Amino acid sequence: EAQVTQNPRYLITVTGKKLTVTCSQNMNHEYMSWYRQDPGLGLRQIYYSMNVEVTDKGDVPEGYKVSRKEKRNFPLILESPSPNQTSLYFCASSLYTEPGLASNEQFFGPGTRLTVL
Amino acid sequence: QKEVEQDPGPLSVPEGAIVSLNCTYSNSAFQYFMWYRQYSRKGPELLMYTYSSGNKEDGRFTAQVDKSSKYISLFIRDSQPSDSATYLCAMRDNYGQNFVFGPGTRLSVLP
Repeated sequence: EAQVTQNPRYLITVTGKKLTVTCSQNMNHEYMSWYRQDPGLGLRQIYYSMNVEVTDKGDVPEGYKVSRKEKRNFPLILESPSPNQTSLYFCASSLYTEPGLASNEQFFGPGTRLTVL
Repeated sequence: QKEVEQDPGPLSVPEGAIVSLNCTYSNSAFQYFMWYRQYSRKGPELLMYTYSSGNKEDGRFTAQVDKSSKYISLFIRDSQPSDSATYLCAMRDNYGQNFVFGPGTRLSVLP
């Protein structure tokens, strides 16, 4: 089944304790992206990757890191989580419709609900 | 001012009603306009998208873009309880890889 998977689905942690949320897709998509979703603010893009070893900042990258060492995986790293990073996180992937241009159809994972105490 | 604004709702309508969902935006460079649907506890999924101004129809759904007013709409005809979800508009410019989403409108269609 074509899908985007995220782990863990739920995580409660404490301020300052490094964590990684994994994202994997089995559709051979070039483009991958991370979003956070907060009430009243909607989905905001954190980072995106156009291909292996190519990443760029979205609208809210502060406090986050990413890496893209393999095409299928795009982990999100919080080196020193803070309470304002409590949110629902989504990973997404898509094909290119032409070289360097991601499709408008992004496939989203099921979400990771993170609470930072 | 937020880059994309959307009435958060909730919007409750009876089954069979015509629903109108709207977004306004401020960035005139946006050329691609998308509507995503998000069911509770799920990730968003694309409903439809349009390029630049105009209308696009897909079954019971019609998307409209008015770039002169920086205003986009999604119409749902003969709404069904299964349409109950949050609807997110999203936009980007011609070459950007950065997608900008609205906050979403929560819709309930009552049987």
